Amino acid sequence: AQKITQTQPGMFVQEKEAVTLDCTYDTSDQSYGLFWYKQPSSGEMIFLIYQGSYDEQNATEGRYSLNFQKARKSANLVISASQLGDSAMYFCAMRPGSARQLTFGSGTQLTVLP
Amino acid sequence: NAGVTQTPKFRVLKTGQSMTLLCAQDMNHEYMYWYRQDPGMGLRLIHYSVGEGTTAKGEVPDGYNVSRLKKQNFLLGLESAAPSQTSVYFCASSSWDRIHYGYTFGSGTRLTVV
Repeated sequence: AQKITQTQPGMFVQEKEAVTLDCTYDTSDQSYGLFWYKQPSSGEMIFLIYQGSYDEQNATEGRYSLNFQKARKSANLVISASQLGDSAMYFCAMRPGSARQLTFGSGTQLTVLP
Repeated sequence: NAGVTQTPKFRVLKTGQSMTLLCAQDMNHEYMYWYRQDPGMGLRLIHYSVGEGTTAKGEVPDGYNVSRLKKQNFLLGLESAAPSQTSVYFCASSSWDRIHYGYTFGSGTRLTVV
């Protein structure tokens, strides 16, 4: 069975600083996909970034980057130059093998301080 | 706007009552999913469908039934609601050929069972 672990229930960061949100995963599949989603207080789920297990380079999308360490089974999200609008719940998720369903972690509540 | 539409957005049920949550997508996606979100537990998969007329159980299927009679619709039913089913329910869809983009989520249904 696949498992996603997010060990930081809550994080605080000063505006304009960088922050890393931790995510570790467990799977026996060689091929898998890793995702990060943002959920603001309004409740919608917003896709941020994707990393494939065979991708050699870390994924980046604007201020978001995914620090992928395959041997450690970690897929940490790095947000550079934090903004007040980054305050939200962040979920790490994994899609194992050829399956389409995602398994989500418990989430990290990020608060950006002015 | 294209996307995933969930109805209703809010509902209060009495224990033992039944209801159906409707999810509709207009993106011609093959895959559809129902998740529930509870504090500290992230999103957990209830049921999913890989195509019209097919459904499969997810991680927490007990107490729920689903149907996908049309490709664009995925219904989640609660036959006899229990307080433990108080949650936020998310529907999502995905395309077989754009797996890197993860899911498109609906805006959620907040269900309270009293």
